[in-house]
Amino acid sequence: AQSVAQPEDQVNVAEGNPLTVKCTYSVSGNPYLFWYVQYPNRGLQFLLKYITGDNLVKGSYGFEAEFNKSQTSFHLKKPSALVSDSALYFCAVSSPGDNFNKFYFGSGTKLNVKP
Amino acid sequence: DGGITQSPKYLFRKEGQNVTLSCEQNLNHDAMYWYRQDPGQGLRLIYYSQIVNDFQKGDIAEGYSVSREKKESFPLTVTSAQKNPTAFYLCASSIDLPNTEAFFGQGTRLTVV
Repeated sequence: AQSVAQPEDQVNVAEGNPLTVKCTYSVSGNPYLFWYVQYPNRGLQFLLKYITGDNLVKGSYGFEAEFNKSQTSFHLKKPSALVSDSALYFCAVSSPGDNFNKFYFGSGTKLNVKP
Repeated sequence: DGGITQSPKYLFRKEGQNVTLSCEQNLNHDAMYWYRQDPGQGLRLIYYSQIVNDFQKGDIAEGYSVSREKKESFPLTVTSAQKNPTAFYLCASSIDLPNTEAFFGQGTRLTVV
C-alpha cells in the first residue's frame, strides 16, 4: 500500500537559518512526489514536485526538495528561512500504478520560524 | 482567474440536518476530489470523480454523498448519518494523470451545533 510519513509534527527554526522538513514514502514502482503548504484556514498550495530526472527539485518561494531513492525520502529544504514561511507543510505521493490520480498525504509538519 | 471556489467558507449545522458544500472549478480539469482534514491526521479522501456522471468512494465515504452532473461542479452533501462531521473540508481538482499536481479550494469549515 502507498503511504507517506512526516516524522516531525513540528519544526522550529530561527529566521535566516536553513530549514528541513522531512518526508519518507512507500510506494510500489516509481513515485511521483509533491510538497504543499497550507496557511491557517486556507487550502493547500502546490510548492514543487518530483516526477523524474534531477534529484534536486526547485519550487516556489525559494523552496527545494531532494529525492533520495535509496532512503525513500523527499525532504523539503530552504537555505534561509523567513518568518512568513511559518505554515503547515504536507508531503504527498501518487503512483503510476493507480488507475486515477490518487494522492496519499502525510500528516503534516508545522513549521515555526522565529524572528 | 482560473481556480477552484468553495462555498460557504463557514457552515454551521444542527444535528440531524443534511448540508451541501459547493465546489466549482474553471480549470477544465476532469478529476475532482473531496478531502476531510482533522488536526494531526492530514487529508483523508472522501470521494473522487474522474469524469462527469461518475464518481467513486474514497477512504471515508460513509455519511457523505456527491454528484457530478457538470464538469465544473462537484458538490458534497454531509448527511445526518455522518457521526462526526465537524471538520475542515477541502475540494481539489487535477488533470487525471498521476504526475500532475492538484489545485485546492480555500476550504469550508463545518461545525455541528
